[in-house]
Amino acid sequence: GAGVSQSPSNKVTEKGKDVELRCDPISGHTALYWYRQSLGQGLEFLIYFQGNSAPDKSGLPSDRFSAERTGGSVSTLTIQRTQQEDSAVYLCASSFGDRVLLNSGANVLTFGAGSRLTVL
Amino acid sequence: AQSVTQLDSQVPVFEEAPVELRCNYSSSVSVYLFWYVQYPNQGLQLLLKYLSGSTLVKGINGFEAEFNKSQTSFHLRKPSVHISDTAEYFCAVRQYSSASKIIFGSGTRLSIRP
Repeated sequence: GAGVSQSPSNKVTEKGKDVELRCDPISGHTALYWYRQSLGQGLEFLIYFQGNSAPDKSGLPSDRFSAERTGGSVSTLTIQRTQQEDSAVYLCASSFGDRVLLNSGANVLTFGAGSRLTVL
Repeated sequence: AQSVTQLDSQVPVFEEAPVELRCNYSSSVSVYLFWYVQYPNQGLQLLLKYLSGSTLVKGINGFEAEFNKSQTSFHLRKPSVHISDTAEYFCAVRQYSSASKIIFGSGTRLSIRP
């Protein structure tokens, strides 16, 4: 697609429920990132995909959080047994990941509009 | 591992005044540096980037930043701000690697007073 698409744009759920957030990156972008933006906080890194593999998942807050990417394209971030502190905007971004392109600036991130999660 | 520090969480300035938003980074290897901007109720977009070469880089909307390797800084500046510059600004760093995450600072909220 023309941009990074995220769904749902808004999700309200009850504490203890599971949620899935979806990210559809720009076609051809091999790198995909998930970040979390809480009120008054910066962008917290969650996980990074290069193709279908995740070289770095060090930012996932707990084992309730997981993410996968299939076909080198769509990614799903799953939060199990949601807690109120999970309320935030979850941002997805994608870029070219090829080292050859790095110096050309083609690895600039393109962000989606985010999925706002509210846990009651 | 790399890290980014934005020392100022909020910067209030008067319209047409100059502004500097500070960013310092830490990394054991060479890095790429970025500034992203998030306008109210909008998504993040790239303001400018440093990849290599000239240490002074110019971005959109009259912003510029200077890479200082010895001070590990990448401060953002604008000589005269406008109301429309009201936004949150994020500094980001990525290490020289084909498989490397991008880390963002905590952001600086720039508010412009008329």
